[in-house]
Amino acid sequence: QKEVEQDPGPLSVPEGAIVSLNCTYSNSAFQYFMWYRQYSRKGPELLMYTYSSGNKEDGRFTAQVDKSSKYISLFIRDSQPSDSATYLCAMTLNTGNQFYFGTGTSLTVIP
Amino acid sequence: GAVVSQHPSRVICKSGTSVKIECRSLDFQATTMFWYRQFPKQSLMLMATSNEGSKATYEQGVEKDKFLINHASLTLSTLTVTSAHPEDSSFYICSAIEAGTLDGYTFGSGTRLTVV
Repeated sequence: QKEVEQDPGPLSVPEGAIVSLNCTYSNSAFQYFMWYRQYSRKGPELLMYTYSSGNKEDGRFTAQVDKSSKYISLFIRDSQPSDSATYLCAMTLNTGNQFYFGTGTSLTVIP
Repeated sequence: GAVVSQHPSRVICKSGTSVKIECRSLDFQATTMFWYRQFPKQSLMLMATSNEGSKATYEQGVEKDKFLINHASLTLSTLTVTSAHPEDSSFYICSAIEAGTLDGYTFGSGTRLTVV
């Protein structure tokens, strides 16, 4: 079983839609949960991270962590064509430790 | 924010030659750097973890004699692909950690290696 599971998509939505991206994981010891955005042929860039359970909001992006279900989500409101990218979830036991990545979900927002 | 510079962004080399990729943390001291490999439409695969001044720790299945990693300073790590073969063609990405932070876990822009 993989440490982190993520549906690779591809996911295609019209502009303005609400996008939901999800990951599940197997290691209950993970404490930090991250979402990265990766444009084609570029390195991933950190969107946001959450410590333990709960929600975190940053502009149009909301990250949710449900540790009891070992499930994390990223919601994108009012999606824009510029949001078209691959979104990777990642998690780690603690700062300074190895990150475990999902396979990434490819998102296309159609104008 | 933390910036990691990776160079070159793209390289084409002949089979049998060696290629060096540099990863620099520009505005912070990176106690740990990671090297990843990414195939098309696949996730990042950790190759090795390097800590400044010590030998790199390689993941299972990664040949340490083929992928030489040097982390000589707190701001520079290098990955050398030795005796490159076409199957080594891939996207290589480094990342760096500033101790005690998650914001400091920053990726380089990646290097597209093509071995012909």
